[in-house]
Amino acid sequence: SYVLTQPPSVSVAPGKTARITCGGNNIGSKSVHWYQQKSGQAPVLVIFSAGDRPSGIPERFSGSNSGNTATLTISRVEAGDEADYYCHVWDLSSDHYVFGTGTKVTVL
Amino acid sequence: QVQLVQSGSELKKPGASMKVSCKASGYSFTSYAVNWVRQAPGQGLEWMGWINTNVGNSNYAQAFTGRSVFSLDTSVNTAYLQINNLKSEDTAVYYCARENQGSFDLWGRGTPVTVSS
Repeated sequence: SYVLTQPPSVSVAPGKTARITCGGNNIGSKSVHWYQQKSGQAPVLVIFSAGDRPSGIPERFSGSNSGNTATLTISRVEAGDEADYYCHVWDLSSDHYVFGTGTKVTVL
Repeated sequence: QVQLVQSGSELKKPGASMKVSCKASGYSFTSYAVNWVRQAPGQGLEWMGWINTNVGNSNYAQAFTGRSVFSLDTSVNTAYLQINNLKSEDTAVYYCARENQGSFDLWGRGTPVTVSS
């Protein structure tokens, strides 16, 4: 089955840039989505199709995808960005969706 | 208001069954598949499968084939998740989510399920 690997944690100071990676075999050929999940809440879509933002999501959130790595970038990090983040793809070979292992972002 | 409203928390004994509901409002229910996602305590998101709200067919992740059943009542815009023969490891929060061109753009608040004797 297809596996998506994320770093367990990322720490960043307020105002700085956080980069969260999502590794998968030839992930650059897939459409990658990213979700933010704050403590005790349901996930929220923050990036879809690698780089598009749903309405209401700040421009500080951006995404890229190439080769074997997709990246979610959060610019000018704020305390409110502290959350778990998950990448997500459709795996055509298995006809299944897959979530990444998740990354906890801590704002110092 | 566009939303998915899930049923409340459940406390079940091992071997029992449970059925979680997910009621859609504010959009055309049969135009989007509903996916189910499990999150065990302190763990990540795990895709369980989807149900096509238009024709009613389902696709289950391998780990959820057998004891899990997705169903619909389109007359009330509601999707259901039933899990039979519950085990302690089924203790989790269960989310329904609307699928929109491959991403899950609308989520329910989640239904906590505890399986304990």
